[in-house]
Amino acid sequence: QVQLQESGPGLVKPSETLSLTCTVSGGSISNFYWSWIRQSPGRGLEWIGSIYYSGDTNYNPSLGSRVTMSVETSKNQFSLNLRSVTAADTAVYYCARSDSGSSGYWGQGAPVTVSS
Amino acid sequence: IQMTQSPSSLSASVGDRVTITCRASQTISTHLNWFQQKPGKAPKLLIYSASSLQAGVPSRFSGGGSGTYFTLTISSLQPEDFATYFCQQIYSSPPTFGQGTKVEIK
Repeated sequence: QVQLQESGPGLVKPSETLSLTCTVSGGSISNFYWSWIRQSPGRGLEWIGSIYYSGDTNYNPSLGSRVTMSVETSKNQFSLNLRSVTAADTAVYYCARSDSGSSGYWGQGAPVTVSS
Repeated sequence: IQMTQSPSSLSASVGDRVTITCRASQTISTHLNWFQQKPGKAPKLLIYSASSLQAGVPSRFSGGGSGTYFTLTISSLQPEDFATYFCQQIYSSPPTFGQGTKVEIK
């Protein structure tokens, strides 16, 4: 059974970089697309972007150039960096596996608060 | 592409038939998913490609529609079905979600 687990700081200061890692177990990271999605009361569910195991990326234009994703196949992990955060980036961040665009496997979610 | 769900919330009893609708701001063919989310949990995929049931999902859930109008129907509401439901279009990037429909106990 494929399982995903987010990890990273739960508190980030404004203007700094939010960094999260998703570790995949029970299956290989290869041959799939992997996504980051966030959820907040004000913005609802928002797709942040996706990365293929080969490293090809697709980001949500609403986040501009603040987003970077990377993948480390040897560790079965992929990561999210979101730069120059503000309070509006406070959310629960989920990682998920995409099968033909549909996210059937999700992590449990990592709450992140942006505050000084 | 903007996704609009209705209603935003509804109250229903166990055994009721419940239908939630989702409208897309432009045609998305059948590139639509439905998710169920319970408090403190990640969304769970119920339906993909508008009408295909995800493995392990009870058959009381069904999806329909194409183009810009879609429905999620629960044929006989069970206690474990009280949750929030979201639609998502994956026709074009970025994928976008509806605002959610909360199904509460009457």
